Amino acid sequence: ETAVFQTPNYHVTQVGNEVSFNCKQTLGHDTMYWYKQDSKKLLKIMFSYNNKQLIVNETVPRRFSPQSSDKAHLNLRIKSVEPEDSAVYLCASSLTGGARDTQYFGPGTRLLVL
Amino acid sequence: GQQVQQSPASLVLQEGENAELQCNFSSTATQLQWFYQSPGGSLVSLLSNPSGTKHTGRLTSTTVTKERRSSLHISSSQTTDSGTYLCAPNMGYKLTFGTGTSLLVDP
Repeated sequence: ETAVFQTPNYHVTQVGNEVSFNCKQTLGHDTMYWYKQDSKKLLKIMFSYNNKQLIVNETVPRRFSPQSSDKAHLNLRIKSVEPEDSAVYLCASSLTGGARDTQYFGPGTRLLVL
Repeated sequence: GQQVQQSPASLVLQEGENAELQCNFSSTATQLQWFYQSPGGSLVSLLSNPSGTKHTGRLTSTTVTKERRSSLHISSSQTTDSGTYLCAPNMGYKLTFGTGTSLLVDP
C-alpha cells in the first residue's frame, strides 16, 4: 500500500526552465529524503529533512532547493534546469532518520530535460 | 564515505532456480535494506536486516555486521522476480546504494 506519494509522475521541460516536484507521506514519519537516480541507474542521496530542518545536503548544485512546509511534505524545486538533471527523483521517509530506520520510497518523478 | 559493492552485476536464471546475491560495504552500518526495482522503475523495500538472518516468503537475507556483508537468497525464482536488486546500508539520515544486481528469470 502506497504511503509516500509523488507528483508528477513524469515531466518534460526545456533547458533553463524551473520545475517543482511534490512529495507527501502519510506514515507520520519525522524524516523525509530526496534521492536522484541517474541514467546509469545509480541512486544517490540529495537531501534529508528532519521535522522541517535540513540535515543532509550532499553537494547538490545550488539550483536545487528543497522546501518543507511541514514534516509530511517535502518538495523539490529546480531553478533553470540543465540536461544533466534528466533523471528519476525519488522521495522517501523514515520514522526518525536514525541509522536503524527503514526508509520507504515513493514511485518517483521522471524528469526529461530537452 | 561508505562504498557499496554488489555481485554479480547480472544474473540469468531458469524459472525455479535459486539465486544468491551479495552485498559488501566499507563502513559498519546499523541497518541494511534490500530493495527490488522493477523494470518500470518503482522501488520496493524487501527486507531490513541489520544482522543475522531474516526470512520473508521466498527471500532470505543474512547479514554479518562485523564483516560488513549481506546476502539475499531467492528460492524457486519466478519470471516476476526479474528486475534489479539493490542493497543499501544506512549511515543515519541517508542510504548509500550499491549499483545493483540485474536479475532475469527465463520461463
